[in-house]
Formats: sequence, C-alpha cells, structure tokens
Amino acid sequence: DTAVSQTPKYLVTQMGNDKSIKCEQNLGHDTMYWYKQDSKKFLKIMFSYNNKELIINETVPNRFSPKSPDKAHLNLHINSLELGDSAVYFCASSQTGTGTGNTIYFGEGSWLTVV
Amino acid sequence: QQQVKQSPQSLIVQKGGISIINCAYENTAFDYFPWYQQFPGKGPALLIAIRPDVSEKKEGRFTISFNKSAKQFSLHIMDSQPGDSATYFCAASLSSNTGKLIFGQGTTLQVKP
Repeated sequence: DTAVSQTPKYLVTQMGNDKSIKCEQNLGHDTMYWYKQDSKKFLKIMFSYNNKELIINETVPNRFSPKSPDKAHLNLHINSLELGDSAVYFCASSQTGTGTGNTIYFGEGSWLTVV
Repeated sequence: QQQVKQSPQSLIVQKGGISIINCAYENTAFDYFPWYQQFPGKGPALLIAIRPDVSEKKEGRFTISFNKSAKQFSLHIMDSQPGDSATYFCAASLSSNTGKLIFGQGTTLQVKP
C-alpha cells in the first residue's frame, strides 16, 4: 500500500497550459505539504495544510493554487505554466502532536516538464 | 537565518569505508534535525533524526553527531555499502512549525564495490 500517492508521475506540457497534480495519503495524517525539487535537487516547501486549512504559503507565484478537499487529499493546480516551473513536485504528509518529531512522509514525486 | 548549508556536494567512498556528510545551520531556534535519503526516481525518506538535547544518535550503521555550540551536525555512515548510494539531505525545523523543513543542498553518495 502506497502511503502517499500522487498522480501523474510524469507530465509534459506546453507553456501557457494549466495542469493539476493530485495527492492522497492513507496514513491518517492531519498535515499535508507540497515541496518542489529543482534541477539541482534542492528541496523547498511550497505549501502546508493542516486539517484542510492553509498554514504555510511560501513565496510561491499565485499561479500555483493548492486545494485540500479533505485532510487526506491535497491537490496542486498550476495556471499559465512557464519553463521555470519544470521540476519535481513532491506531496508529503505528517501527523502533528505525536511527539516523534516532524517525520514527513514523501510521495514518489511528479516530474513536470514544460516545453 | 533560515539556511542550512551542506557539504560535500558529492562523495565517493569504497565499500566498507566511512561516509561523512556535514551540515551547518544559522537559526538557533531550530530544534529538530533530520536526515533524509533519496534514491533516483523516489521521494526522500527519513533516515535518522536528532534533537539538540543530545550530542549523538546511532541507528545501525548510521550516526548523527550534533554540536550545538558550533551549530553543526553530521551524518556518519559506517561500513558503507553500494546500496547506500543515494542523495542525502540534512534538514532543520522548528517542531512548533508543523513540519516546515529547511533542507540542505544535498550530497550525492556513491559507494564503489
């Protein structure tokens, strides 16, 4: 069973298009994230939702809009895609208040290529 | 203040050797320091983590050494194996900030047979 699953795994699209990446976690966690990994493998948080509420919104262009219909799902919609949006997008989840630290479980990533 | 600096960028070690990766942080309020391991085509996975109230934590062949005064921590992989070949990321966060991890730049480790 995949703990954090995201679709699609690969996405090639043209500049200017709008695309969405979906994410689901079956770990029962209350917090979900989107992280971006660039071509140099640098990982940076984009958004975080806790119980469907947005709690972290880094300096991400407003072309990126996350949506959390329930605490097990966090989708990422990207409008007017640009070449610089090409990256690997990781969905992740964690459970707050467990006393075990912020163990974050990552999905396998969605490889977005904008041409 | 929010940066975590990691070195080296890449590392080649012979099988059975010791791999050492170093990280330094700036924000003294950070109170959680995990290491993540990432294989090609996969997401990062937690390897081992430490809090600043201890100076060392060991799990199997993996050890974190933590120096609070120097604001540095390191990952030691003993008896390195080819299967350890991966990219390793250090990170830091505030446990009060619901998991916002600040990652280092990553170290690509290759263990030669």
